[in-house]
Amino acid sequence: QVQLQESGPGLVKPSETLSLTCTVSGASVDTYYWSWIRQPPGKGLEWIGYIYNSGRTTYNPSFKSRVTFSLDTSKNQFSLRLTSMTAADTAVYYCARQYNHLGSFRIDYWGQGTLVTVSS
Amino acid sequence: DIVMTQSPLSLPVTPGEPASISCRSSQSLLNSNGNNHLDWYLQKPGQSPQLLIYLGSNRASGVPDRFSGSGSGTDFTLKISRVEAEDVGVYYCMQALQTPFTFGPGTILDIK
Repeated sequence: QVQLQESGPGLVKPSETLSLTCTVSGASVDTYYWSWIRQPPGKGLEWIGYIYNSGRTTYNPSFKSRVTFSLDTSKNQFSLRLTSMTAADTAVYYCARQYNHLGSFRIDYWGQGTLVTVSS
Repeated sequence: DIVMTQSPLSLPVTPGEPASISCRSSQSLLNSNGNNHLDWYLQKPGQSPQLLIYLGSNRASGVPDRFSGSGSGTDFTLKISRVEAEDVGVYYCMQALQTPFTFGPGTILDIK
């Protein structure tokens, strides 16, 4: 049974940096693709990027150079860092596992999500 | 980026009746391996999304057989043969072909 749990601050000030961690059980972060996806309140889903292969990353260009992912294999965790936060970054942030099957990347496990509000 | 659209955006359904959701992509999701890289997810109220269908027509583990996916290229359909109360929520299609992976806007299914 694969489980993912996000942790981090629920409130971030404008211009500050968001740091979130996802703790994984039931699978090793050394394998598979590990993603961050967000959902602004009342809106749809936006893929931020994934980390895989012991640290390789692919980011959504919409986030330009603001986002960084990292892995901590000793704790079986992966993390997101998003700089220069604005009100537009207010969202539920999900961590998830993406499974590469025949070149297709389905999202087969999701965390419960954590609401991050950007406000002074 | 591949743009995903869905219709309808709102779908009221009577329990026991069928339901159908359409998803279109701005470019073909059919890969050279003959598979369509299109997934369907359901986000029940207050929950995280859950995988329903992958590679266009394959039900994920534990998904009831009243759910089916079809289509190819740029046009896809999710069908529910007989809607049950537990099926309410927002249905999203997602292209899993190329990064950045992109989702449709969602279809809200509720019970009449």
